[in-house]
Amino acid sequence: EDKVVQSPLSLVVHEGDTVTLNCSYEVTNFRSLLWYKQEKKAPTFLFMLTSSGIEKKSGRLSSILDKKELFSILNITATQTGDSAIYLCAVENNNAGNMLTFGGGTRLMVKP
Amino acid sequence: KAGVTQTPRYLIKTRGQQVTLSCSPISGHRSVSWYQQTPGQGLQFLFEYFSETQRNKGNFPGRFSGRQFSNSRSEMNVSTLELGDSALYLCASSPREAGELFFGEGSRLTVL
Repeated sequence: EDKVVQSPLSLVVHEGDTVTLNCSYEVTNFRSLLWYKQEKKAPTFLFMLTSSGIEKKSGRLSSILDKKELFSILNITATQTGDSAIYLCAVENNNAGNMLTFGGGTRLMVKP
Repeated sequence: KAGVTQTPRYLIKTRGQQVTLSCSPISGHRSVSWYQQTPGQGLQFLFEYFSETQRNKGNFPGRFSGRQFSNSRSEMNVSTLELGDSALYLCASSPREAGELFFGEGSRLTVL
């Protein structure tokens, strides 16, 4: 059974801080790892990392995938209050179509 | 381009009743997945449809069922509701057989 564990469970920082969110996984036939941001309801897509794309960057957010050690990190630099959200990590199994296995999420609060 | 649309957004039912939730995917997307989100269990996969066929099913009892129509719209049904079915039900669509998912705002179900 595929499994995703995220840490920390929650995090409180101040604006301008840099944060690192962790995601470790076990998957029988890895296809991709995805990061989502959930503010109120709908999770919104951030990054997809695959064997051919193990590092992604978009503005202040960046993510890397370590396929050997089976983990990924999501970095947010110069945090802003608008970054406050739950960050979800998920893995996709090659044998399972669009079925994603999600971690429990990391709740990030950025204080002014 | 309109996003994933779910209806109803909120609903309250009593134990023993049944409920039907609807999801309209992004135009052109043929894959529709359903997830249940609760504070205790996080996001859990219910089922996925691609071109009207159920491709994968999560570990939920038979009271949970779904279908997809020829226009890619999908419905899920929960019969004989239990208190533990109270959750946010999220629908997601994808343009391909695998890849990132685009989530709707969800249907918040409360069972009394």
